[in-house]
Amino acid sequence: NAGVTQTPKFRVLKTGQSMTLLCAQDMNHEYMYWYRQDPGMGLRLIHYSVGEGTTAKGEVPDGYNVSRLKKQNFLLGLESAAPSQTSVYFCASRGDGRGSYNEQFFGPGTRLTVL
Amino acid sequence: RKEVEQDPGPFNVPEGATVAFNCTYSNSASQSFFWYRQDCRKEPKLLMSVYSSGNEDGRFTAQLNRASQYISLLIRDSKLSDSATYLCVVNQGLGGFQKLVFGTGTRLLVSP
Repeated sequence: NAGVTQTPKFRVLKTGQSMTLLCAQDMNHEYMYWYRQDPGMGLRLIHYSVGEGTTAKGEVPDGYNVSRLKKQNFLLGLESAAPSQTSVYFCASRGDGRGSYNEQFFGPGTRLTVL
Repeated sequence: RKEVEQDPGPFNVPEGATVAFNCTYSNSASQSFFWYRQDCRKEPKLLMSVYSSGNEDGRFTAQLNRASQYISLLIRDSKLSDSATYLCVVNQGLGGFQKLVFGTGTRLLVSP
């Protein structure tokens, strides 16, 4: 099993450009999450999905859109990139076990720079 | 005030030392608690969950004090490989859904 993978690993954008980050998991997990991590701040939740075809806003959703057309994939889109979106983006997935202690598995991250 | 607060460190300790990290959280309705470990330029990985009665996993001991809204992690007999950033994580989700809130992390450097 590859676990959680993210594409691309690195990207440099110019202000106003658009891009899509792909997250894929092969663990048949129901829940998927997109976070961003910035220096001096903890990981912050951008959007999440509780199952195929569903998405919801997290703590910092502005400027991002997501889609979960297939259970194994969770896409994060930036329609018009801004320098404030320079960050490391992590995707995570989690199974649908009822316990609240279930682990979230993270992908390796995408380092995005917006000039 | 941050929802989850940690001392950023770094904590510089020699191999074999015992080191403790603390964390406080502001939302008393938080459901479950974790310590994640993050190596430099890598993704976070679950180190251990934190249970109300306290729990131990090898050299690692986690404690929770709900009344004081305080979580701790104790590492005994530190190894060079323990050098990393330790993230205190609080789940504010309900039922089976997790809404994780992350602290900024405490950096640990273990030296020979």
